[in-house]
Amino acid sequence: QVQLVQSGADVKKPGSSVKVSCKASGGSFSSNAISWVRQAPGQGLEWMGGLLPIFGTPIYAQKFQGRVTITADESTSTSYMELSSLRSDDTAIYFCARDAVPGYTGPYYFDFWGQGTLVTVSS
Amino acid sequence: EIVLTQSPGTLSLSPGERVTLSCRASQSVNNNYLAWYQQKPGQAPRLLIYGASDRATGIPDRFSGSGSGTDFTLTISRLEPEDSAVYFCQQYYNSGTFGQGTKVEI
Repeated sequence: QVQLVQSGADVKKPGSSVKVSCKASGGSFSSNAISWVRQAPGQGLEWMGGLLPIFGTPIYAQKFQGRVTITADESTSTSYMELSSLRSDDTAIYFCARDAVPGYTGPYYFDFWGQGTLVTVSS
Repeated sequence: EIVLTQSPGTLSLSPGERVTLSCRASQSVNNNYLAWYQQKPGQAPRLLIYGASDRATGIPDRFSGSGSGTDFTLTISRLEPEDSAVYFCQQYYNSGTFGQGTKVEI
């Protein structure tokens, strides 16, 4: 069974950066893209971007271009999402999620999700 | 960007009832690249349906999806108390966007 375990909650100042990790186990890390999806308090879901580890080239939603960086470390089966120039409206739960369709950058639909990481941006 | 609009916003129903949730796209979602998720408070979303009508592994057959083009529906044939949740649709034909969700209260 695939498991995605994310790093813990974080509090950041406006203008700073945050880096969230997502460690995968139980499956083939390199073959399925990992996407990052966020959810502001009481709001819907927003796809930010994703990366297929065997290709190594991430794709980003236009809204986050230039501010988000998604990377992967195949040696530790860990995906990372770094968001810079944080604002108060970046306060959200950040989820990593596995694309169900192997071999494609995606995004497709997501069959396994991390538990979520709350990032609070506050001065 | 394809915008997904879900309706209604909230539903209050009783166990055993049948419910149909709607997801309308601002432009055609080709190849039926549409998924449905269930999210309970404090939890990550759970995949229910992909390809508009294919049930994900382990999903009870009381959940079914249908539709094509711009209009899609999720039907729960006989509501169980544990079906209380927010339901999101997602299109993956053109990048990935989600609807705003429908809350089902039982």
